[in-house]
Amino acid sequence: DIVMTQSPDSLAVSLGERATINCKSSQSVLYSSNNKNYLGWYQQKPGQPPKLLIYWASTRESGVPDRFSASGSGTDFTLTISSLQAEDVAVYYCQQYYSTPITFGPGTRLEIK
Amino acid sequence: EVQLLESGGGLVQPGGSLRLSCAASGFTFSSYAMNWVRQAPGKGLEWVSVICDNGGSTYYADSVKGRFTISRDNSRNTLYLQMNSLRGEDTALYYCAKCRGGSCYSAPDSWGQGTLVTVSS
Repeated sequence: DIVMTQSPDSLAVSLGERATINCKSSQSVLYSSNNKNYLGWYQQKPGQPPKLLIYWASTRESGVPDRFSASGSGTDFTLTISSLQAEDVAVYYCQQYYSTPITFGPGTRLEIK
Repeated sequence: EVQLLESGGGLVQPGGSLRLSCAASGFTFSSYAMNWVRQAPGKGLEWVSVICDNGGSTYYADSVKGRFTISRDNSRNTLYLQMNSLRGEDTALYYCAKCRGGSCYSAPDSWGQGTLVTVSS
């Protein structure tokens, strides 16, 4: 099974500042035949279902603000919020869908400082 | 607009069974893989199962393999999760989630509000 880890566990950032969340997979999620990383990022606000922000490791889902960006390949990935807004307070999860069992990271809680 | 409406949750005794349903609308259901993902109270997300678009391929988390069965009825636009031999650790909010494509290996892009399953005597 591919184990997903995230760092930090929690993060407090001032409004307007940059927030960076890291995700690491225990093995590569890059599929060589199509050069795609099978990695997604999700945002979950209290009392709500998760929302897909990013797929293929760096492709922003339709309607997601462009302050959200992501990068990485192979086993190391990063989600960046360039200028934190109050509505970005949430738990953020990475997920690999390269192989079953599909696995999520443990989540990173993002708060306002 | 994609809509996913889960139902069938409730209180069940250990060893009991439940069948969850997810009614889908707003998209061509038969063209997309579908997942069940659960979240225990105060915990993170745990993937449970996925079924590919044609229903021919299904996959499960080790924690539910042999006890849970995912299925779909493309004529009714409905996803199911039959849960048998339920345990306390199965207590969670169960989400139905649509994948971006027909392949089982695609990111879930739409989620329902979830249905709560509580396993307790």
